Amino acid sequence: EDQVTQSPEALRLQEGESSSLNCSYTVSGLRGLFWYRQDPGKGPEFLFTLYSAGEEKEKERLKATLTKKESFLHITAPKPEDSATYLCAVTSSNTGKLIFGQGTTLQVKP
Amino acid sequence: ETGVTQSPTHLIKTRGQQVTLRCSSQSGHNTVSWYQQALGQGPQFIFQYYREEENGRGNFPPRFSGLQFPNYSSELNVNALELDDSALYLCASSRSQGYGYTFGSGTRLTVV
Repeated sequence: EDQVTQSPEALRLQEGESSSLNCSYTVSGLRGLFWYRQDPGKGPEFLFTLYSAGEEKEKERLKATLTKKESFLHITAPKPEDSATYLCAVTSSNTGKLIFGQGTTLQVKP
Repeated sequence: ETGVTQSPTHLIKTRGQQVTLRCSSQSGHNTVSWYQQALGQGPQFIFQYYREEENGRGNFPPRFSGLQFPNYSSELNVNALELDDSALYLCASSRSQGYGYTFGSGTRLTVV
């Protein structure tokens, strides 16, 4: 069964303290791995799509990487405005549906 | 380029009632999918429509049904509402299945 697990569930950082979020997945034929940011009461906002192991993408203070079993979202020198829930999801070659993890809630304190 | 818009933003219904939620896809997107997100959880796939045909369904009972219209807008209908149906309902659209989903802001449904 296709499955996504994110860790940690919650993460508190001081402003400027870099860290990484983990997304482990099992899927029958990965089509794509997605990272989204979600603010309270709002819909997920697209960050990155990764398609193959070894691929990396960057956007401002965020960098996403992909291996055959997991993905990392690295946050460099975070700011309070980076506080949000970060969701990881995959799609398989069999279906187009997104399978989400439970998310990591990040809080960055000034 | 307009994004995905959902209506209404908030809704309160009584157990046993029926509800219809609406979604306008992003321009150029022919695939729409619906998700249910309980508090503190990741979104759960309900179903997906491609060119007006349902082509995927998650573990939701038949009282959850939907439609996609020729202009690619969509509806989610839920009959016989239960308290556990209280959640944020998200619509997402894509140019092609499995790639680049854009989400709306969601409809917060509360069943009392």
